[in-house]
Amino acid sequence: ETGVTQSPTHLIKTRGQQVTLRCSSQSGHNTVSWYQQALGQGPQFIFQYYREEENGRGNFPPRFSGLQFPNYSSELNVNALELDDSALYLCASSSTSKQFFGPGTRLTVL
Amino acid sequence: DQQVKQNSPSLSVQEGRISILNCDYTNSMFDYFLWYKKYPAEGPTFLISISSIKDKNEDGRFTVFLNKSAKHLSLHIVPSQPGDSAVYFCAATKGNYGGSQGNLIFGKGTKLSVKP
Repeated sequence: ETGVTQSPTHLIKTRGQQVTLRCSSQSGHNTVSWYQQALGQGPQFIFQYYREEENGRGNFPPRFSGLQFPNYSSELNVNALELDDSALYLCASSSTSKQFFGPGTRLTVL
Repeated sequence: DQQVKQNSPSLSVQEGRISILNCDYTNSMFDYFLWYKKYPAEGPTFLISISSIKDKNEDGRFTVFLNKSAKHLSLHIVPSQPGDSAVYFCAATKGNYGGSQGNLIFGKGTKLSVKP
């Protein structure tokens, strides 16, 4: 059984650009949640997808969007990148119990 | 407005002794609480959880205590080992007892250092 994987591991972008982060959920998990972890902070909930539909959203602007695919993998898209978007982006998958996190993607916006 | 607070940014403990990590919350609607451990360059790893209908949950060296009236929970690690050195996050959720379908609200974390 494979765990949650995320790609890429690291990414450097410039302000105004767009970025797509990817997540493969753990086998059998139909729910994927995305979190943003800024330096020195705890993870903050961005949104969650359940069976390809958005199922809850945190306090993030619309330029943060996502997708979930039939195999339950997911993408996080961020448009018009800002310097404050620099953070670790975590994906978590779950089924009927606790959430399992991937290793994260470190995004740096210059 | 921080709904989950971990007021100690760091904690240092001697190997073999007890580590106690604390967490306070403000939202009385939270009904499920979790502790995650995070090593550098890795994602958070689930450690232990507790439902609001209980006041204690134990798993090996790890015990979580919940005091609903004080809106306070704590994680006890006994005995502490050097491999326990990591950042520990407290998280809470509401609306279900499984902690899986709802979004998790995290504290800022406490960095635990266990010295040999």
